[in-house]
Amino acid sequence: QQQVKQSPQSLIVQKGGIPIINCAYENTAFDYFPWYQQFPGKGPALLIAIRPDVSEKKEGRFTISFNKSAKQFSLHIMDSQPGDSATYFCAAGYNFNKFYFGSGTKLNVKP
Amino acid sequence: GAGVSQSPRYKVAKRGQDVALRCDPISGHVSLFWYQQALGQGPEFLTYFQNEAQLDKSGLPSDRFFAERPEGSVSTLKIQRTQQEDSAVYLCASSVQGRGELFFGEGSRLTVL
Repeated sequence: QQQVKQSPQSLIVQKGGIPIINCAYENTAFDYFPWYQQFPGKGPALLIAIRPDVSEKKEGRFTISFNKSAKQFSLHIMDSQPGDSATYFCAAGYNFNKFYFGSGTKLNVKP
Repeated sequence: GAGVSQSPRYKVAKRGQDVALRCDPISGHVSLFWYQQALGQGPEFLTYFQNEAQLDKSGLPSDRFFAERPEGSVSTLKIQRTQQEDSAVYLCASSVQGRGELFFGEGSRLTVL
């Protein structure tokens, strides 16, 4: 059973656009929701993370929106740039001991 | 080094061979994780160590997979009698205990022929 469902699988936007990636989870025990960015041939790197007691978190051009009642969270990338082209993974975990990752969204930002 | 180091970066094995993948975590990181990432998929949890103790190995797909971290630093993931379905990138990550950020290595890409 997939613990975290992520959509869309791929996304193409123009430079300056605002791509949105969505994730849904079922396990209400999850208490930490990070987003990771992965470039080809590299390991994932933490982008931004949120705890379920807040509904939004912003760090630079990246924003997480969190809807606890719907068990959904999303990543928005403001003023997207070609350098943001990568694969993005949402994840969910508890006690920082085990994390479940979504299947990934491949983002292409066209110049 | 400054980051998580994994070796080998690439490994080609014939079906039935045993392989060993090494992970050097960031110095001082208590927690160490192994993940398996199939092509075009997200990382899937394999196992977790806190120091030398393996606290969770529920993600290991079969008894052919074995992980150890005998001195609480370097870890080795061993796969015995490799099968084609074992072909994947094996990612190691470490973190400070009680903190959520995982620092991943670049992975070991295993191809089983």
